[in-house]
Amino acid sequence: AQSVSQHNHHVILSEAASLELGCNYSYGGTVNLFWYVQYPGQHLQLLLKYFSGDPLVKGIKGFEAEFIKSKFSFNLRKPSVQWSDTAEYFCAVNPTNDYKLSFGAGTTVTVRA
Amino acid sequence: KAGVTQTPRYLIKTRGQQVTLSCSPISGHRSVSWYQQTPGQGLQFLFEYFSETQRNKGNFPGRFSGRQFSNSRSEMNVSTLELGDSALYLCASSHSSSNYGYTFGSGTRLTVV
Repeated sequence: AQSVSQHNHHVILSEAASLELGCNYSYGGTVNLFWYVQYPGQHLQLLLKYFSGDPLVKGIKGFEAEFIKSKFSFNLRKPSVQWSDTAEYFCAVNPTNDYKLSFGAGTTVTVRA
Repeated sequence: KAGVTQTPRYLIKTRGQQVTLSCSPISGHRSVSWYQQTPGQGLQFLFEYFSETQRNKGNFPGRFSGRQFSNSRSEMNVSTLELGDSALYLCASSHSSSNYGYTFGSGTRLTVV
């Protein structure tokens, strides 16, 4: 069974700082990769996804992620965070043609004004 | 385009009772998945339905069941409720191919007392 690990449980940073959240998965086959965000009191929203092609994917709100197949990683980045980026971020993986999403434990990001 | 609709938003039930949760997917989406979200266990996959057939099931006891109707709407049932079933239950819908990604609803917050 595949598993997903997110490196940080809680990240605190100031506005305009850069953000990088790590995500590693364990599955030997072809996978689809996702980052979801959950703002306080809101539902899960898709930030970005990778299925194939260019390993650097751009999502909404200035986020991007890089898929490094050799490292089984899919790290999320944002060059300059805003207070409104305070949320919980989840990395998720599913093997291609499998409809079960496996989620990481989530990383809580707190951005201080 | 309407999103994934889950009803009810909140439920309070007593131990031993049963509960039925409903999910209406995005129009045109034929795959519906259910997830349980708790602070301790995070997001865990319950099951996935496509064209009224369960294609995948997570590691939950048989008290958790579901079904999908011909209009792609889905219901999830939990019988003989336990205190540990208190959680946010999320529904996600997708096109037939897993490559389209998943859109989540706002969830049903179930509290078992």
